[in-house]
Amino acid sequence: NAGVTQTPKFQVLKTGQSMTLQCAQDMNHEYMSWYRQDPGMGLRLIHYSVGAGITDQGEVPNGYNVSRSTTEDFPLRLLSAAPSQTSVYFCASSYSQSAETQYFGPGTRLLVL
Amino acid sequence: KQEVTQIPAALSVPEGENLVLNCSFTDSAIYNLQWFRQDPGKGLTSLLLIQSSQREQTSGRLNASLDKSSGRSTLYIAASQPGDSATYLCAIWGGGGADGLTFGKGTHLIIQP
Repeated sequence: NAGVTQTPKFQVLKTGQSMTLQCAQDMNHEYMSWYRQDPGMGLRLIHYSVGAGITDQGEVPNGYNVSRSTTEDFPLRLLSAAPSQTSVYFCASSYSQSAETQYFGPGTRLLVL
Repeated sequence: KQEVTQIPAALSVPEGENLVLNCSFTDSAIYNLQWFRQDPGKGLTSLLLIQSSQREQTSGRLNASLDKSSGRSTLYIAASQPGDSATYLCAIWGGGGADGLTFGKGTHLIIQP
């Protein structure tokens, strides 16, 4: 198993550009989520999904969209990038929304100029 | 809203020492507590998961304890090695939803050879 994979590893955007951060898992996990990690802030939940076709907002959803058309994939879209979205983004998955071990991807480092 | 605090923020010790990392949380209504390790520029690696009904979990040289009534968890590392140098994160799973995992800001650990 590859576990949780994320692409790209690093991206530079200009303010106003759009992009999609890719996340995929091959563990047949139902629950997937996106976090951002900022210095001094810790990791914060952006969006999550409890299964294909079901998504919901986390603590900091503004400026981000998600969709979940398959169990394996959970892309995160930035529609109009802002410098405040400069961060490291992590995708995570677990078998269910119950008390399960969360598995994290390697992260995408995003710089918005 | 759950708050997670990790003390100390940074720790530097000589190789071979036994050490304890602390995590405290404000709401005892938790499902589980998970300890992660994060290496510089990398993702999060799950170390130990303690369910709310458990008191401790062990994996190799690592032992994690949980005291829900006092809102505290400790991660004990025995016979520390330079390879243990990393940031250690404590995270609470409160049952899913918009909170997801609530993370502490981490303890940055350096083991001196």
